[in-house]
Amino acid sequence: DAGVIQSPRHEVTEMGQEVTLRCKPISGHDYLFWYRQTMMRGLELLIYFNNNVPIDDSGMPEDRFSAKMPNASFSTLKIQPSEPRDSAVYFCASSLAGTDTQYFGPGTRLTVL
Amino acid sequence: TQLLEQSPQFLSIQEGENLTVYCNSSSVFSSLQWYRQEPGEGPVLLVTVVTGGEVKKLKRLTFQFGDARKDSSLHITAAQTGDTGLYLCAGEESGYSTLTFGKGTMLLVSP
Repeated sequence: DAGVIQSPRHEVTEMGQEVTLRCKPISGHDYLFWYRQTMMRGLELLIYFNNNVPIDDSGMPEDRFSAKMPNASFSTLKIQPSEPRDSAVYFCASSLAGTDTQYFGPGTRLTVL
Repeated sequence: TQLLEQSPQFLSIQEGENLTVYCNSSSVFSSLQWYRQEPGEGPVLLVTVVTGGEVKKLKRLTFQFGDARKDSSLHITAAQTGDTGLYLCAGEESGYSTLTFGKGTMLLVSP
């Protein structure tokens, strides 16, 4: 079975550019989570969706960050404009309602120069 | 936001040694999970503990949830090089669908 799929795996961009990260959750999962991981702050929840609806975006650091889930099999996290401090590994995870197991994708390593 | 403190932050040992890592909070969690993350990969769930005082074993790994459900420990017996990775604990608050993660313990097991 395919797990959570994220693309790209690596992204290098210049400050001010728009960055779009993509995620395909496990088929049938109701919840989708976006996390950011850095050495300083660890793994932080940015936003999560239930049945494609954003439930809590209080972890989104600034208005430069936005996330969408147009259907059950696809979500995007967009940063516009990007800044060097956005450099981190971004993870997408999905889970099934009624369970407490989150399945993580391999992550996107973002470097903003 | 409930905080989870993990200790030690980094641990380097030889193969065959035993070790214990800790996860502590001042708050109560309805459940606590342990994940292992290998370089270049996402975290993978190892175990979930839900009852105060609960002990779960996964081969050479022993997980314990504190009686008050505020802390947890992970003990590894006879560590192997394949145990190398970042060990993360994550707590779930009652009624929420989200997890709060600690910063992790980076374990390096050398041959």
